[in-house]
Amino acid sequence: AQTVTQSQPEMSVQEAETVTLSCTYDTSESNYYLFWYKQPPSRQMILVIRQEAYKQQNATENRFSVNFQKAAKSFSLKISDSQLGDTAMYFCAFIKGGSRTYKYIFGTGTRLKVLA
Amino acid sequence: GAGVSQSPSNKVTEKGKDVELRCDPISGHTALYWYRQSLGQGLEFLIYFQGNSAPDKSGLPSDRFSAERTGGSVSTLTIQRTQQEDSAVYLCASSFMGLAGGRSYNEQFFGPGTRLTVL
Repeated sequence: AQTVTQSQPEMSVQEAETVTLSCTYDTSESNYYLFWYKQPPSRQMILVIRQEAYKQQNATENRFSVNFQKAAKSFSLKISDSQLGDTAMYFCAFIKGGSRTYKYIFGTGTRLKVLA
Repeated sequence: GAGVSQSPSNKVTEKGKDVELRCDPISGHTALYWYRQSLGQGLEFLIYFQGNSAPDKSGLPSDRFSAERTGGSVSTLTIQRTQQEDSAVYLCASSFMGLAGGRSYNEQFFGPGTRLTVL
């Protein structure tokens, strides 16, 4: 069975600084996808960034980037130039590839607070 | 186009009462998912609908929980004889298809959730 672990329940960062959120996972699959979702106080989950396991290059989306270490089964999220609007819960998630898969496995989340 | 909508936004009920939570997916999305998010926890998969196929109900925690999807669009999650441990945020999501096949992936879009409080 797959598991996703986020070991940092809460973090804080000063505005404009850089912060890294950790995520580790466990799977025997070779084809899978990893995600970071953001959940602001409005509760609506928003996809931040996605990484395909078959891609060696780390995904980036503007100020958001990941450090994907496949052998170590690690998938950390780096937020550069943190903004107040980045304050939210961040969830790491996994889904295995292949046909007809749809069950996402979520970590327990990291609450990030950006300080002015 | 509109995103995924859910109603009500908040629901307070008394223990033992039945509740119905509604989800309107994005038009054209054939896959629909329900999740439960308890305080301090991640998202727990409840049920999955894909087109006209039989739903995957493997995540429903008890037989007090049921869900249906009418006409392949709107979905209702029903909790009968609510208990205090049912208090949580119930999130709905939809995607164009429910497949993550090969090297393709279809993004899930989430609604704002319904916060259920059972007194």
